[in-house]
Amino acid sequence: DAMVIQNPRYQVTQFGKPVTLSCSQTLNHNVMYWYQQKSSQAPKLLFHYYDKDFNNEADTPDNFQSRRPNTSFCFLDIRSPGLGDAAMYLCATSSFQTGVSTNEKLFFGSGTQLSVL
Amino acid sequence: DQQVKQNSPSLSVQEGRISILNCDYTNSMFDYFLWYKKYPAEGPTFLISISSIKDKNEDGRFTVFLNKSAKHLSLHIVPSQPGDSAVYFCAARQYGGSQGNLIFGKGTKLSVKP
Repeated sequence: DAMVIQNPRYQVTQFGKPVTLSCSQTLNHNVMYWYQQKSSQAPKLLFHYYDKDFNNEADTPDNFQSRRPNTSFCFLDIRSPGLGDAAMYLCATSSFQTGVSTNEKLFFGSGTQLSVL
Repeated sequence: DQQVKQNSPSLSVQEGRISILNCDYTNSMFDYFLWYKKYPAEGPTFLISISSIKDKNEDGRFTVFLNKSAKHLSLHIVPSQPGDSAVYFCAARQYGGSQGNLIFGKGTKLSVKP
């Protein structure tokens, strides 16, 4: 089945130690997103790629970076994780065509739960 | 400041009865609203949506109502089933906003008891 896959399911890192979360998709969608969800909070968009175009949300900390080497893969890099970065990180995809009304139907992966020690 | 509010963190309903999940928003520029459902250890999955030009959308047991004047929408599940037990997120899109920037509420955990 076509899907969005996130690895690993759980990730533990040390304070200040760089960490990379990965996401892959078999849906061939042109847009990929990274959301951060802290406990009992709403998911919050960090950034997204529209094809190769990177779009950063204004309030996303510089500590968070992303790479999309090809259509199928997208990575979230946290350069120096702090305790406040412990959260569930959700990758999502959607198919968007310029000039076509979109319903913003996102397909989410199962998420990576990040712990920072 | 939350633009999408789900004021009930949890809701418990008996199987076969109606579940009503509520969502309020503050931004009049929102033009599209969605409900997502999330089971434990899984990502959210799309459930149903509604455009701001409509006031009702129905899909099987699920109906979403939109009251633009009150900036309020609700999700009705009839009849409720134990498999509906999950966290339900309300989300909204701002017209002209960046692609994919859905604003989510904090979610309501629905428990349907047999």
